[in-house]
Amino acid sequence: GAVVSQHPSWVICKSGTSVKIECRSLDFQATTMFWYRQFPKQSLMLMATSNEGSKATYEQGVEKDKFLINHASLTLSTLTVTSAHPEDSSFYICSARSGISDEQFFGPGTRLTVL
Amino acid sequence: SQQGEEDPQALSIQEGENATMNCSYKTSINNLQWYRQNSGRGLVHLILIRSNEREKHSGRLRVTLDTSKKSSSLLITASRAADTASYFCATDASDMRFGAGTRLTVKP
Repeated sequence: GAVVSQHPSWVICKSGTSVKIECRSLDFQATTMFWYRQFPKQSLMLMATSNEGSKATYEQGVEKDKFLINHASLTLSTLTVTSAHPEDSSFYICSARSGISDEQFFGPGTRLTVL
Repeated sequence: SQQGEEDPQALSIQEGENATMNCSYKTSINNLQWYRQNSGRGLVHLILIRSNEREKHSGRLRVTLDTSKKSSSLLITASRAADTASYFCATDASDMRFGAGTRLTVKP
């Protein structure tokens, strides 16, 4: 099946710093990429949807200035958590939808811990 | 926002028993998928059922879909301790949204 990678798999940072997470579709072109957030013992919540070359669409309650999304190509999307705070500590999962099969595939997730 | 609810929120059974989890959703869908997640790990895709299908099997898994009731169920037969995990349904329209999940514990 199609593979979606994320980097890094985990990151620890100090409060106030910015963290960038990369999401790549390795063997297919993704017309749309999605970012999810999962707090402990909770489900995945969709944060934003991005199409290549367009601005991301954010879900209600997600601050677009805090979670910057760049979908630079059909195989790469990045999520930057700006001025991270401890409450941003979470498991961030990206997902990519194939432009051909229309199936959606998930990355392995990035665990962010903000001290 | 989440698509819907899952019940039960938590389920504890003995090895060998069957486990049934239910999922309800709110909007029209193209398909519904079930995922498994071990604590702190990524998602593992289990099974996909399309909106025009009513039942699907994969090994010890059986999934049903009732689009008129906007509900689905996942049955795991002859459960094993290794089945202990959280199980999520996800509805697929133009994006995928997840239910709240069921935490399954299978005691050896």
